[in-house]
Amino acid sequence: NAGVTQTPKFRVLKTGQSMTLLCAQDMNHEYMYWYRQDPGMGLRLIHYSVGEGTTAKGEVPDGYNVSRLKKQNFLLGLESAAPSQTSVYFCATYGENYAAIGETQYFGPGTRLLVL
Amino acid sequence: SQKIEQNSEALNIQEGKTATLTCNYTNYSPAYLQWYRQDPGRGPVFLLLIRENEKEKRKERLKVTFDTTLKQSLFHITASQPADSATYLCALSGGYNKLIFGAGTRLAVHP
Repeated sequence: NAGVTQTPKFRVLKTGQSMTLLCAQDMNHEYMYWYRQDPGMGLRLIHYSVGEGTTAKGEVPDGYNVSRLKKQNFLLGLESAAPSQTSVYFCATYGENYAAIGETQYFGPGTRLLVL
Repeated sequence: SQKIEQNSEALNIQEGKTATLTCNYTNYSPAYLQWYRQDPGRGPVFLLLIRENEKEKRKERLKVTFDTTLKQSLFHITASQPADSATYLCALSGGYNKLIFGAGTRLAVHP
């Protein structure tokens, strides 16, 4: 049971290049999210999905696209990378957390992206 | 706009003491508030959740309070240990459980 995994762990891009970040989960959760984390700032929501085939914009969606073709996967795409997209990207899922007696988010280990 | 504030300065305490971290928010009425722990190079890990109708929640050495009138949550770690050193994030929930995070407070527990 791997939980939430992210691929790749680290990537260097040149300005204008494209790439796709993959998030995979084995918890059968409906909701999935992509956040970015920058120094001195809280995690900010980029896009999210409430189920297979659905996506919606978060707080900072510009320059990113997402797809949720399969329930267990949530892809984040950068069509033309910019230095402002240098960040650490976290994927999360939302589901039942019996320890919390409620539902909380489970985060992946993150992808560190550097755009030169 | 919604705003969440956590102490930006690191909190340094001695082992065995109680650490108290603060989370203040404005322009929001969350149904519940969560605290996460984040270690360097890792994703946030859930610690505690407290609902708007709860005043206090405890889990082992952790305690969270939630004052919806003051729009403030306090997070306490009693009998702190060096292993508690990490960044602690406060998060409020929105629709579809979208989380709004504070920037976090770095805690350093010294032997």
